[in-house]
Amino acid sequence: EPEVTQTPSHQVTQMGQEVILRCVPISNHLYFYWYRQILGQKVEFLVSFYNNEISEKSEIFDDQFSVERPDGSNFTLKIRSTKLEDSAMYFCASRGPGSGGSYEQYFGPGTRLTVT
Amino acid sequence: AQKITQTQPGMFVQEKEAVTLDCTYDTSDQSYGLFWYKQPSSGEMIFLIYQGSYDEQNATEGRYSLNFQKARKSANLVISASQLGDSAMYFCAMREPPKANAGGTSYGKLTFGQGTILTVHP
Repeated sequence: EPEVTQTPSHQVTQMGQEVILRCVPISNHLYFYWYRQILGQKVEFLVSFYNNEISEKSEIFDDQFSVERPDGSNFTLKIRSTKLEDSAMYFCASRGPGSGGSYEQYFGPGTRLTVT
Repeated sequence: AQKITQTQPGMFVQEKEAVTLDCTYDTSDQSYGLFWYKQPSSGEMIFLIYQGSYDEQNATEGRYSLNFQKARKSANLVISASQLGDSAMYFCAMREPPKANAGGTSYGKLTFGQGTILTVHP
């Protein structure tokens, strides 16, 4: 069964450094998302991406963040100048053009980012 | 704005018993979708069940069923015959319909509730 993959599974970085979180969505999917989950808290929407551009972003997704689909398969989230409060689990999700009526988003296993 | 509320921070159930996890929502949209996800201690998000706002019948997926009461804006998850492996965090989520907004077009982002930790006792 096709699945969303994310690398690395765990990233430790120092405050102020840049990190790139990578995702490979399901191959025929068209819509891509990043979510964040601070430890013990709910999952929060960051950004959605369609047709090679950001379609929506949350208040969390400020100039520190950027997304890119560089080669038609990977979908990346870049965090510039990381802060301690960026420590969280980051989930990538994708969905197809119309998965029946559910438009189900398939989640990757997540990348746990730890900023020290 | 959409809002999802899960009022039960934690729930306990005996193995083989049924359990209901509560979820209420608030939206002005007529068309929306409701999802339940399971998050085990390993951290991944596992899709369990979906209910569309226009679906007249409650969704069922194996041991999972969704008690959808549209007038009350509730979408409770019922797990029958609980198993030890059901112990996990459970999130209710809502998907809004695609629509134009100030920043572009929204393509169905999910808004999550706070989650309920379910513990199944042997």
